[in-house]
Amino acid sequence: DTAVSQTPKYLVTQMGNDKSIKCEQNLGHDTMYWYKQDSKKFLKIMFSYNNKELIINETVPNRFSPKSPDKAHLNLHINSLELGDSAVYFCASSQALTSGRAQFFGPGTRLTVL
Amino acid sequence: GDSVTQMEGPVTLSEEAFLTINCTYTATGYPSLFWYVQYPGEGLQLLLKATKADDKGSNKGFEATYRKETTSFHLEKGSVQVSDSAVYFCALREPQAGTALIFGKGTTLSVSS
Repeated sequence: DTAVSQTPKYLVTQMGNDKSIKCEQNLGHDTMYWYKQDSKKFLKIMFSYNNKELIINETVPNRFSPKSPDKAHLNLHINSLELGDSAVYFCASSQALTSGRAQFFGPGTRLTVL
Repeated sequence: GDSVTQMEGPVTLSEEAFLTINCTYTATGYPSLFWYVQYPGEGLQLLLKATKADDKGSNKGFEATYRKETTSFHLEKGSVQVSDSAVYFCALREPQAGTALIFGKGTTLSVSS
Protein backbone atom coordinates (compact mmCIF):
# COMPACT_ATOMS: atom_id res chain seq x y z
CA ASP A 1 0.00 0.00 0.00
CA THR A 2 3.00 2.24 -0.58
CA ALA A 3 1.88 5.74 -1.56
CA VAL A 4 4.90 6.95 -3.53
CA SER A 5 7.43 4.36 -4.61
CA GLN A 6 10.77 4.71 -6.39
CA THR A 7 13.06 2.22 -8.04
CA PRO A 8 15.84 1.52 -7.57
CA LYS A 9 16.61 2.50 -3.99
CA TYR A 10 20.34 2.47 -4.65
CA LEU A 11 22.12 3.03 -7.94
CA VAL A 12 25.89 2.81 -8.35
CA THR A 13 27.30 3.48 -11.80
CA GLN A 14 30.29 4.73 -13.73
CA MET A 15 30.79 8.21 -15.14
CA GLY A 16 29.44 8.57 -18.65
CA ASN A 17 26.69 5.97 -18.28
CA ASP A 18 22.98 6.61 -18.82
CA LYS A 19 20.53 5.61 -16.11
CA SER A 20 16.85 5.95 -15.24
CA ILE A 21 14.94 6.24 -11.98
CA LYS A 22 11.26 5.35 -11.87
CA CYS A 23 8.54 6.78 -9.68
CA GLU A 24 4.94 5.70 -9.18
CA GLN A 25 2.21 7.03 -6.92
CA ASN A 26 -1.09 5.35 -6.07
CA LEU A 27 -2.67 8.33 -4.32
CA GLY A 28 -4.62 9.54 -7.34
CA HIS A 29 -2.64 12.79 -7.37
CA ASP A 30 -2.23 14.73 -10.57
CA THR A 31 1.01 16.58 -9.81
CA MET A 32 4.41 14.93 -9.43
CA TYR A 33 7.88 16.29 -8.67
CA TRP A 34 11.55 15.42 -8.69
CA TYR A 35 13.81 16.88 -5.99
CA LYS A 36 17.57 16.50 -5.55
CA GLN A 37 19.14 16.28 -2.08
CA ASP A 38 22.86 16.95 -2.01
CA SER A 39 25.47 15.65 0.43
CA LYS A 40 24.65 18.46 2.86
CA LYS A 41 20.99 17.42 2.84
CA PHE A 42 19.88 20.51 0.92
CA LEU A 43 16.73 19.83 -1.14
CA LYS A 44 15.99 21.56 -4.42
CA ILE A 45 13.21 21.16 -6.94
CA MET A 46 14.20 19.89 -10.37
CA PHE A 47 10.97 19.25 -12.26
CA SER A 48 7.23 19.15 -11.80
CA TYR A 49 4.49 17.64 -13.95
CA ASN A 50 0.76 18.27 -13.74
CA ASN A 51 -1.46 15.86 -15.66
CA LYS A 52 1.55 14.75 -17.71
CA GLU A 53 2.44 18.34 -18.61
CA LEU A 54 5.78 19.85 -17.56
CA ILE A 55 5.14 22.91 -15.38
CA ILE A 56 8.39 23.42 -13.50
CA ASN A 57 11.80 23.02 -15.08
CA GLU A 58 14.47 24.52 -12.88
CA THR A 59 18.01 25.20 -13.97
CA VAL A 60 19.03 21.61 -14.46
CA PRO A 61 21.51 20.31 -17.08
CA ASN A 62 19.72 19.02 -20.14
CA ARG A 63 21.32 15.64 -19.47
CA PHE A 64 18.35 15.23 -17.10
CA SER A 65 15.09 14.44 -18.85
CA PRO A 66 11.84 13.69 -17.05
CA LYS A 67 9.11 11.66 -18.67
CA SER A 68 5.54 11.21 -17.50
CA PRO A 69 3.74 8.43 -19.36
CA ASP A 70 0.61 8.94 -17.25
CA LYS A 71 -0.53 10.82 -14.14
CA ALA A 72 0.70 8.09 -11.81
CA HIS A 73 4.25 7.86 -13.13
CA LEU A 74 7.17 10.25 -13.44
CA ASN A 75 10.51 8.87 -14.52
CA LEU A 76 13.89 10.58 -14.57
CA HIS A 77 16.47 9.73 -17.19
CA ILE A 78 20.03 10.95 -16.83
CA ASN A 79 22.51 10.87 -19.69
CA SER A 80 26.30 10.97 -19.48
CA LEU A 81 26.43 10.78 -15.71
CA GLU A 82 28.96 12.97 -13.90
CA LEU A 83 30.50 12.76 -10.44
CA GLY A 84 28.47 15.79 -9.36
CA ASP A 85 25.23 13.96 -10.07
CA SER A 86 25.81 11.83 -6.99
CA ALA A 87 22.93 12.66 -4.64
CA VAL A 88 19.65 11.34 -3.33
CA TYR A 89 16.75 11.93 -5.72
CA PHE A 90 13.25 12.16 -4.29
CA CYS A 91 10.00 11.86 -6.14
CA ALA A 92 6.90 13.50 -4.65
CA SER A 93 3.26 13.98 -5.50
CA SER A 94 0.39 16.24 -4.49
CA GLN A 95 -3.26 16.71 -5.29
CA ALA A 96 -3.72 19.61 -7.65
CA LEU A 97 -1.55 22.67 -7.83
CA THR A 98 -2.95 24.36 -4.74
CA SER A 99 -0.21 25.61 -2.45
CA GLY A 100 -1.84 24.38 0.74
CA ARG A 101 -1.77 20.78 -0.40
CA ALA A 102 1.04 18.77 1.15
CA GLN A 103 3.45 16.86 -1.00
CA PHE A 104 4.05 13.18 -0.29
CA PHE A 105 7.58 11.92 -0.83
CA GLY A 106 8.99 8.62 -1.96
CA PRO A 107 11.82 6.88 -0.07
CA GLY A 108 14.51 8.31 -2.35
CA THR A 109 17.06 6.88 -4.76
CA ARG A 110 20.68 7.20 -3.71
CA LEU A 111 22.75 7.65 -6.86
CA THR A 112 26.51 7.20 -6.64
CA VAL A 113 28.61 7.99 -9.68
CA LEU A 114 32.14 6.56 -9.62
CA GLY B 1 13.53 35.16 -4.59
CA ASP B 2 11.78 33.20 -1.92
CA SER B 3 13.87 31.58 0.78
CA VAL B 4 13.66 29.73 4.08
CA THR B 5 16.21 30.09 6.86
CA GLN B 6 16.53 27.55 9.64
CA MET B 7 18.74 27.54 12.67
CA GLU B 8 22.01 25.74 12.17
CA GLY B 9 22.36 22.36 13.75
CA PRO B 10 23.02 19.94 15.08
CA VAL B 11 20.73 20.38 18.05
CA THR B 12 21.58 17.98 20.85
CA LEU B 13 19.08 17.45 23.68
CA SER B 14 18.40 15.06 26.51
CA GLU B 15 15.16 13.12 26.57
CA GLU B 16 12.18 15.14 27.88
CA ALA B 17 13.86 18.48 27.09
CA PHE B 18 11.99 21.30 25.36
CA LEU B 19 12.67 21.73 21.67
CA THR B 20 12.58 24.85 19.52
CA ILE B 21 13.81 24.93 15.94
CA ASN B 22 13.63 28.42 14.47
CA CYS B 23 12.41 29.02 10.94
CA THR B 24 11.94 32.33 9.14
CA TYR B 25 10.99 32.92 5.55
CA THR B 26 11.05 35.46 2.77
CA ALA B 27 8.26 35.31 0.23
CA THR B 28 6.73 37.56 -2.39
CA GLY B 29 3.26 36.19 -1.87
CA TYR B 30 1.28 34.65 0.96
CA PRO B 31 2.71 31.15 1.18
CA SER B 32 1.68 27.96 2.89
CA LEU B 33 4.23 26.74 5.43
CA PHE B 34 5.32 23.20 6.23
CA TRP B 35 7.57 21.19 8.49
CA TYR B 36 8.89 17.89 7.13
CA VAL B 37 10.92 15.29 9.02
CA GLN B 38 13.48 12.89 7.58
CA TYR B 39 14.47 9.89 9.69
CA PRO B 40 17.84 8.26 8.93
CA GLY B 41 17.81 6.48 5.58
CA GLU B 42 14.21 7.42 4.82
CA GLY B 43 12.27 9.88 2.71
CA LEU B 44 10.57 13.02 3.93
CA GLN B 45 7.36 12.86 5.90
CA LEU B 46 5.00 15.75 6.41
CA LEU B 47 5.00 16.67 10.10
CA LEU B 48 2.60 19.62 10.09
CA LYS B 49 1.46 22.57 8.02
CA ALA B 50 -0.29 25.94 8.19
CA THR B 51 -1.88 27.78 5.31
CA LYS B 52 -2.74 31.20 6.75
CA ALA B 53 -1.62 33.67 9.38
CA ASP B 54 -2.13 32.62 13.02
CA ASP B 55 -2.89 29.04 12.01
CA LYS B 56 -1.27 26.49 14.30
CA GLY B 57 -0.19 23.19 12.84
CA SER B 58 0.27 20.30 15.24
CA ASN B 59 1.12 16.61 15.08
CA LYS B 60 2.76 14.03 17.38
CA GLY B 61 3.32 16.67 20.08
CA PHE B 62 5.00 19.09 17.67
CA GLU B 63 3.51 22.54 17.06
CA ALA B 64 4.24 25.55 14.88
CA THR B 65 2.31 28.81 14.45
CA TYR B 66 2.26 30.84 11.24
CA ARG B 67 3.39 34.32 12.26
CA LYS B 68 3.00 36.72 9.37
CA GLU B 69 4.24 39.76 11.31
CA THR B 70 7.57 38.11 12.07
CA THR B 71 7.58 35.85 8.95
CA SER B 72 8.29 32.88 11.18
CA PHE B 73 7.13 29.30 11.66
CA HIS B 74 9.12 27.98 14.62
CA LEU B 75 8.79 24.29 15.51
CA GLU B 76 8.30 23.36 19.17
CA LYS B 77 7.84 20.25 21.25
CA GLY B 78 7.44 20.18 24.99
CA SER B 79 9.22 16.90 25.70
CA VAL B 80 11.41 15.23 23.09
CA GLN B 81 12.06 11.50 22.86
CA VAL B 82 15.00 9.56 21.47
CA SER B 83 12.75 8.53 18.58
CA ASP B 84 12.47 12.21 17.53
CA SER B 85 16.11 12.16 16.40
CA ALA B 86 15.96 13.14 12.73
CA VAL B 87 16.50 16.01 10.29
CA TYR B 88 13.75 18.63 10.29
CA PHE B 89 13.02 20.77 7.25
CA CYS B 90 11.00 23.96 7.15
CA ALA B 91 9.47 24.71 3.75
CA LEU B 92 7.17 27.17 2.02
CA ARG B 93 5.05 27.08 -1.09
CA GLU B 94 3.79 30.17 -2.85
CA PRO B 95 0.06 30.37 -3.59
CA GLN B 96 0.41 30.52 -7.37
CA ALA B 97 -0.54 27.35 -9.14
CA GLY B 98 2.30 25.08 -10.08
CA THR B 99 4.85 26.17 -7.51
CA ALA B 100 7.14 23.74 -5.73
CA LEU B 101 8.32 23.57 -2.14
CA ILE B 102 11.26 25.75 -1.17
CA PHE B 103 13.17 24.15 1.66
CA GLY B 104 15.43 25.39 4.38
CA LYS B 105 18.77 23.64 4.82
CA GLY B 106 17.47 21.29 7.50
CA THR B 107 18.25 21.01 11.21
CA THR B 108 19.60 17.78 12.65
CA LEU B 109 18.15 16.88 16.04
CA SER B 110 19.87 14.32 18.22
CA VAL B 111 18.15 13.21 21.44
CA SER B 112 19.96 11.10 24.01
CA SER B 113 18.49 9.09 26.86
